[in-house]
Amino acid sequence: QKEVEQNSGPLSVPEGAIASLNCTYSDRGSQSFFWYRQYSGKSPELIMFIYSNGDKEDGRFTAQLNKASQYVSLLIRDSQPSDSATYLCAVNHGSARQLTFGSGTQLTVLP
Amino acid sequence: DAGITQSPRHKVTETGTPVTLRCHQTENHRYMYWYRQDPGHGLRLIHYSYGVKDTDKGEVSDGYSVSRSKTEDFLLTLESATSSQTSVYFCAISESENTGELFFGEGSRLTVL
Repeated sequence: QKEVEQNSGPLSVPEGAIASLNCTYSDRGSQSFFWYRQYSGKSPELIMFIYSNGDKEDGRFTAQLNKASQYVSLLIRDSQPSDSATYLCAVNHGSARQLTFGSGTQLTVLP
Repeated sequence: DAGITQSPRHKVTETGTPVTLRCHQTENHRYMYWYRQDPGHGLRLIHYSYGVKDTDKGEVSDGYSVSRSKTEDFLLTLESATSSQTSVYFCAISESENTGELFFGEGSRLTVL
């Protein structure tokens, strides 16, 4: 069974700090990796994706992928209270119907 | 925002009754999905569709059926609802099959008493 593991949290960071969210996966054949943000009571929205080893930056967000160690992480720089949400890691094993989601990490950014 | 609407948004029903959830998209995307989200389980795929009248089962399909008679509409039916089907149901769409870039509807909260 293909598994995606995330710390459920809650993870609390002060405003302006760096939030680090981690995700590990079991299937070495996984091809692409996604981070979704989900505000309480709302639907998930895609914020980052990464396909290759290394870092990918988009504004305050950086996704990091290490396929050898089978982990992917999301860094949020200069965290804001509006970043408070649950972050879902998703791993694609070949197609969208083979997308496995982690259970999410709840992040709280304290003013 | 992707044009995806789900109905109803909230529903309370009794065990043994049939329930149909509707997903409607205006993006003309070929691929549509139904997920359920439960605490501690993340999002789990129920059924997906890769075209009109083309559907297949996902990870947790038991007790659910789907239909897609038009590109824009994807229906999820619980033939005889059970309390274990109490959940939040999300519809999603994607432009391509080979992606994890999904656009989600607002969700439908179903409570089965």
